[in-house]
Amino acid sequence: EVQLVESGGGLVQPGRSLRLSCAASGFTFDDYAMHWVRQAPGKGLEWVSSINYIGGSLGYADSVKGRFTISRDNAKNSLYLQMNSLRPEDTAFYYCAKDRGRAAIVWAFDPWGQGTLVTVSS
Amino acid sequence: QSALTQPASVSGSPGQSITISCIGTSSDVGGYDYVSWYQHHPGKAPKLMIYEVSNRPSGVSNRFSGSKSGNTASLNISGLQAEDEADYYCSSYTSSSTPFVVFGGGTKLTVL
Repeated sequence: EVQLVESGGGLVQPGRSLRLSCAASGFTFDDYAMHWVRQAPGKGLEWVSSINYIGGSLGYADSVKGRFTISRDNAKNSLYLQMNSLRPEDTAFYYCAKDRGRAAIVWAFDPWGQGTLVTVSS
Repeated sequence: QSALTQPASVSGSPGQSITISCIGTSSDVGGYDYVSWYQHHPGKAPKLMIYEVSNRPSGVSNRFSGSKSGNTASLNISGLQAEDEADYYCSSYTSSSTPFVVFGGGTKLTVL
């Protein structure tokens, strides 16, 4: 069974940093691009960042560019999101997701993890 | 304001069919077949229901179908069931510099 488990969320003060992790199992991790998507309380889904199968960043949302860094460790079947200079508007559930495409990215997220909550507040 | 436009809510009675629209532009929905639909029950992980406009992952009921015409994608759910009540989001790859993926604002489906 394909499984994604996020961790690392919590309460953090504005301006501080946090690193999210996503542990993957049940599939050949280094065959797939991976993604981070977030959902602020009461809001819709927002794409955050994506990374290709060998670890090249595919880009960031404008709202996080320059502050967040996506990475992966294929030896550990893990995806990461380093979040610096956090702002209250970064408060959200953060989900990691696997791309459905194997030979090529198809920008369809399947499956998703359960999410980890990041709260940025003083 | 979301990049893709969805109705805020739709409703239907059990057994009926409903359609959720997703309006984009030629830079996203109209320009690529990378349109997906997700079902999201509060407190649970979102679930992929349709990918590449009209493809259904294994395990997703054939009551769910997707299509696209011009800059508008649509999700149709036939034979509505109580468990279909959820939020539904469309997404599309976009050729805008960033983001690479845009979502709709979400549609709350109520099964009456």
